[in-house]
Amino acid sequence: LAKTTQPISMDSYEGQEVNITCSHNNIATNDYITWYQQFPSQGPRFIIQGYKTKVTNEVASLFIPADRKSSTLSLPRVSLSDTAVYYCLVGDIRTGGGNKLTFGTGTQLKVEL
Amino acid sequence: EAGVVQSPRYKIIEKKQPVAFWCNPISGHNTLYWYLQNLGQGPELLIRYENEEAVDDSQLPKDRFSAERLKGVDSTLKIQPAELGDSAVYLCASSPRTGLAFDEQFFGPGTRLTVL
Repeated sequence: LAKTTQPISMDSYEGQEVNITCSHNNIATNDYITWYQQFPSQGPRFIIQGYKTKVTNEVASLFIPADRKSSTLSLPRVSLSDTAVYYCLVGDIRTGGGNKLTFGTGTQLKVEL
Repeated sequence: EAGVVQSPRYKIIEKKQPVAFWCNPISGHNTLYWYLQNLGQGPELLIRYENEEAVDDSQLPKDRFSAERLKGVDSTLKIQPAELGDSAVYLCASSPRTGLAFDEQFFGPGTRLTVL
């Protein structure tokens, strides 16, 4: 199971673009990269998932370089409500391979005025 | 669309007492997960069901924890007896498909357990 490394915390201001990078040097061929967001006293919320290159949805973009050893979650024009913990998960989306869903400690993003 | 429902939201018990948590997943979601989350940590998977079958319970401490999902819909997680170290938030999640370990999961608000 690919181990992930993320910054413990990041600070930003409203209106800025925030990029959170996750390192996963031993990512396997069948592994996907998934990001979740968690607010205090709530369960995590799925943000985005990708395998390679770039994935974009209505809330974020996920950039994955060709070697896939890292990925970057990009949040455009953050607001105070984006203050949360962001988790990077890496693993084989297929079941039966001993895959364990591991959230890690995540990155605490704090957005200020 | 209603989200994942969990009850109770908060529970305070004395150590050695039993406790049970209930989860009702999103309608039509066949996969159900129970997680434990300690303060400052990410969620840790306890058990995963596909329909009524527990397909991954390797992380469940079976000496005191048990879970069931009898009709493949709602689920109950039980601890008996509870220990001080069981104080945590217990999260339930569901996802629509089976056979995918990384399908998008929809989480409930969790049950915060305090063991005194």
